[in-house]
Amino acid sequence: DVKVTQSSRYLVKRTGEKVFLECVQDMDHENMFWYRQDPGLGLRLIYFSYDVKMKEKGDIPEGYSVSREKKERFSLILESASTNQTSMYLCASSSAGTGNYGYTFGSGTRLTVV
Amino acid sequence: AQTVTQSQPEMSVQEAETVTLSCTYDTSESDYYLFWYKQPPSRQMILVIRQEAYKQQNATENRFSVNFQKAAKSFSLKISDSQLGDAAMYFCAYKETGTASKLTFGTGTRLQVTL
Repeated sequence: DVKVTQSSRYLVKRTGEKVFLECVQDMDHENMFWYRQDPGLGLRLIYFSYDVKMKEKGDIPEGYSVSREKKERFSLILESASTNQTSMYLCASSSAGTGNYGYTFGSGTRLTVV
Repeated sequence: AQTVTQSQPEMSVQEAETVTLSCTYDTSESDYYLFWYKQPPSRQMILVIRQEAYKQQNATENRFSVNFQKAAKSFSLKISDSQLGDAAMYFCAYKETGTASKLTFGTGTRLQVTL
């Protein structure tokens, strides 16, 4: 069964900490995405990548960065976590050839910054 | 920028009944894709149904069907014979053509299914 795996289901971090959220897919997909999900706001795109070492800003990139050194792994980095980054983070991937058929999502990481 | 609007934050339906979730979107493109995703309490986003804008025929997947009105930029989801397992958050999403283009989501509708 094809999968997008997010390393943590729940995470609690302190304000000012550097936080890494990891996402791995086993489908050889070219495209990978990081979304943030908040009640009443839906899913908002933070960053995406359509190739190794490539990245594009989404709608809300401020306070975040990403890294994609290998095709299967896409990391979201919070350089200095703040309480307004408490949220659910969803990773997704899609194939360059079949991306119009939708994305495959991970199960999400619920991050709390205290 | 494209926007997707879901005007119903919450909906409720009785088991075995039919419910329709609304979605409208804004775009200047003529060719694009529309999706409905389901997110149960497990948080796993599941693709429910997909519609290609250049196809006039409404998509159907078992108990799930859509009413796609391109001129009105409307894309509603109809769930027939509702089941307890249908209870979830439902998100409408829009995607331009192009393999690297992004999914833009609405704010979601929480569906409750009652006995």
